Amino acid sequence: ETGVTQSPTHLIKTRGQQVTLRCSSQSGHNTVSWYQQALGQGPQFIFQYYREEENGRGNFPPRFSGLQFPNYSSELNVNALELDDSALYLCASSPDPANYGYTFGSGTRLTVV
Amino acid sequence: DQQVKQNSPSLSVQEGRISILNCDYTNSMFDYFLWYKKYPAEGPTFLISISSIKDKNEDGRFTVFLNKSAKHLSLHIVPSQPGDSAVYFCAASAGSSNTGKLIFGQGTTLQVKP
Repeated sequence: ETGVTQSPTHLIKTRGQQVTLRCSSQSGHNTVSWYQQALGQGPQFIFQYYREEENGRGNFPPRFSGLQFPNYSSELNVNALELDDSALYLCASSPDPANYGYTFGSGTRLTVV
Repeated sequence: DQQVKQNSPSLSVQEGRISILNCDYTNSMFDYFLWYKKYPAEGPTFLISISSIKDKNEDGRFTVFLNKSAKHLSLHIVPSQPGDSAVYFCAASAGSSNTGKLIFGQGTTLQVKP
């Protein structure tokens, strides 16, 4: 399987709810990173997972959490959703943490109302 | 604090001419720089990168120039084609950290007119 796939493509949630976004990495890529892209801005680093362990984290609160599974899939979980969490969430995979030539998915558009 | 800045939100060029996209950074710890291209409804696609030990890297029609003293990099596309119309992001990392953290600029929308 080639490429990175994300699901769902669009999602609407109510403030205070919890959400889980899913990503299937490119085969052989054991590193996955998650980014948040607000409208009109560049992607902002949330965290990275390497071999199922968190390998780095950006300036996001603990209510943003993740999981990586042995089958190249991963999840981004956000608790206690806030209106400002409305954004495009991008998953990116790479063969290893030192390789920044990521393969990005098309993203999940999350709207919090 | 915007560590990577793309000060031109948009750029329009004629097909066949050169497109020059600019990017400035403030953090002297950055040692690896990348350009990504993004079409609507798609994720960013890696285009070209450059290490801080170089000042130029070329790949076909795409060339990235790095001026460390000015903390400035640019992407040249020659010749520009209508299919190059997209949003271009520059990104930087302190590569030795290996934490996956890329700092992206805000993006520049390039329109190449036929």
